[in-house]
Amino acid sequence: DAMVIQNPRYQVTQFGKPVTLSCSQTLNHNVMYWYQQKSSQAPKLLFHYYDKDFNNEADTPDNFQSRRPNTSFCFLDIRSPGLGDAAMYLCATSSDSGNYEQYFGPGTRLTVT
Amino acid sequence: GESVGLHLPTLSVQEGDNSIINCAYSNSASDYFIWYKQESGKGPQFIIDIRSNMDKRQGQRVTVLLNKTVKHLSLQIAATQPGDSAVYFCAENRSVPGRRALTFGSGTRLQVQP
Repeated sequence: DAMVIQNPRYQVTQFGKPVTLSCSQTLNHNVMYWYQQKSSQAPKLLFHYYDKDFNNEADTPDNFQSRRPNTSFCFLDIRSPGLGDAAMYLCATSSDSGNYEQYFGPGTRLTVT
Repeated sequence: GESVGLHLPTLSVQEGDNSIINCAYSNSASDYFIWYKQESGKGPQFIIDIRSNMDKRQGQRVTVLLNKTVKHLSLQIAATQPGDSAVYFCAENRSVPGRRALTFGSGTRLQVQP
């Protein structure tokens, strides 16, 4: 089945230690998104790639970076994680040939110690 | 809009009853709306969507109603089941040129009592 895959599902990192979360998709969608979701809150868009074009949200901290080496893969890099960055990180995809529906992966739960 | 609270509004219903979850949106230019269901520890899952040129759309056991006059969206779930227990988010596409992104509402937790 076509899907959005996130690895790892659970990630523990130390305060200030860089960490990378990964997302892959078999849907061949040209748009990929990264969201941060904290407990009992809505997903908050960090940035998205429209094909190779990177679109950063105005309030996304510089501590968060992203890479998209090809259509299938997208990475979220947190350069110096703080305790406030502990959250669920969701990857999603969509296709501009269809409606605006986004397909979500299962998420990576990040813990910062 | 985006949630800033720590406590989600909760709707508690009895199994078999109908549920109605409401959502207000702020941007009159939004042209597409979607409802997602999110179970604990999982990513959001598509339920149903509607374009702004419609005021009602039905799926299997679910109906979405759109009232553009008051900028209100609702999700109706018929014969609610325990498996419907989850957090429900509405999201809108704000029709910004060059931007293909959804804006999520604050969410409602649905608890189904057996």
